[in-house]
Amino acid sequence: GNSVTQMEGPVTLSEEAFLTINCTYTATGYPSLFWYVQYPGEGLQLLLKATKADDKGSNKGFEATYRKETTSFHLEKGSVQVSDSAVYFCAVRASNTGKLIFGQGTTLQVKP
Amino acid sequence: DAGITQSPRHKVTETGTPVTLRCHQTENHRYMYWYRQDPGHGLRLIHYSYGVKDTDKGEVSDGYSVSRSKTEDFLLTLESATSSQTSVYFCAIMTGTDDRVYGYTFGSGTRLTVV
Repeated sequence: GNSVTQMEGPVTLSEEAFLTINCTYTATGYPSLFWYVQYPGEGLQLLLKATKADDKGSNKGFEATYRKETTSFHLEKGSVQVSDSAVYFCAVRASNTGKLIFGQGTTLQVKP
Repeated sequence: DAGITQSPRHKVTETGTPVTLRCHQTENHRYMYWYRQDPGHGLRLIHYSYGVKDTDKGEVSDGYSVSRSKTEDFLLTLESATSSQTSVYFCAIMTGTDDRVYGYTFGSGTRLTVV
């Protein structure tokens, strides 16, 4: 079946540091890939997405590139802020079933 | 924004009782989902629906059933609640089509406690 593996957290960074959160997936067909963010006490919000190989999703300074050859969709940001502290979820949508499967989430804490 | 509401927002129930959670959307989106969120597990798919009366199981469907008799409502029932079903439950809808997925919009969640 389809699955998503994210790097273990928590990730603790200083403000303005470079962020990478690794995400790899297994899926058949042509899946769509997503990053969602959950701020403390809130629901999930779409951060960015990519729907085909080599697409780059970007939003609020975050980027991720759909790499079919390595089945990866790593999240990056060049300079994090304290306000980026949240839980980040990678997700894959199977094209043949419509199922949306999430990784276990990675907690990011940014210190001033 | 796609309108999606969950009810109730909070519920405490006793072990062995049935519980039904409701997810309501104000637009005619085809796909609807139920997830549970637990520490260390992220979001796990319970059931999803791809149309009226069309549903399928997710990763953790045991002990749960769903129904979708109208496009706008997707109900999740815990047939006989257990303490292991204490969790936060999220409903989601997919915006777009099978060929052009815009994204997924989540409800605010239902915090369920089984005592």
